[in-house]
Amino acid sequence: NAGVTQTPKFQVLKTGQSMTLQCAQDMNHEYMSWYRQDPGMGLRLIHYSVGAGITDQGEVPNGYNVSRSTTEDFPLRLLSAAPSQTSVYFCASRLDRGRDRYTFGSGTRLTVV
Amino acid sequence: AQSVTQPDIHITVSEGASLELRCNYSYGATPYLFWYVQSPGQGLQLLLKYFSGDTLVQGIKGFEAEFKRSQSSFNLRKPSVHWSDAAEYFCASSSGNTPLVFGKGTRLSVIA
Repeated sequence: NAGVTQTPKFQVLKTGQSMTLQCAQDMNHEYMSWYRQDPGMGLRLIHYSVGAGITDQGEVPNGYNVSRSTTEDFPLRLLSAAPSQTSVYFCASRLDRGRDRYTFGSGTRLTVV
Repeated sequence: AQSVTQPDIHITVSEGASLELRCNYSYGATPYLFWYVQSPGQGLQLLLKYFSGDTLVQGIKGFEAEFKRSQSSFNLRKPSVHWSDAAEYFCASSSGNTPLVFGKGTRLSVIA
């Protein structure tokens, strides 16, 4: 049981490049979400999904796309990286919308130069 | 919209002293409330959670938190702080069908 797996752990991009941050969970969790963490800002919600085929925007969705074709995977795509997207990204999952704890991945540290 | 406020950006306490970190939430109904801790360069660790029932919640590492509906608060406490408690602490809330919303965090420093 691996929990929530995020890859890569570290990434450096040049401005304008695109990339996909991977998030996979093996707990059959319906609910998955992406956060970015910046100093003094806490964790801010980018996108979330309540099940396969269903996604919605969070607080800071601009510049990011997501899809949820399977229950297990919830990739986050940066279409054209900008220095403002330099951050630590966390993926989280939960069994359903009820009373359950969230499981967090270990994070991806992204630097855009 | 749901929101969480942590009024203190940085707190410094002496080792062995008591600790209280403040958290206020904004939500009409009773939310689900969480406290997480993050050591430098690490991920998030759940300290405790409140869903319903007893308003005093016990967590790991000797932490506890008290839900006060009248004050919309969920403050985290520890009677005696250890140097290893130095970290950043996040309060978070959700309802049954809304995403988890975090406060901006409180950084705890512990001095000898």
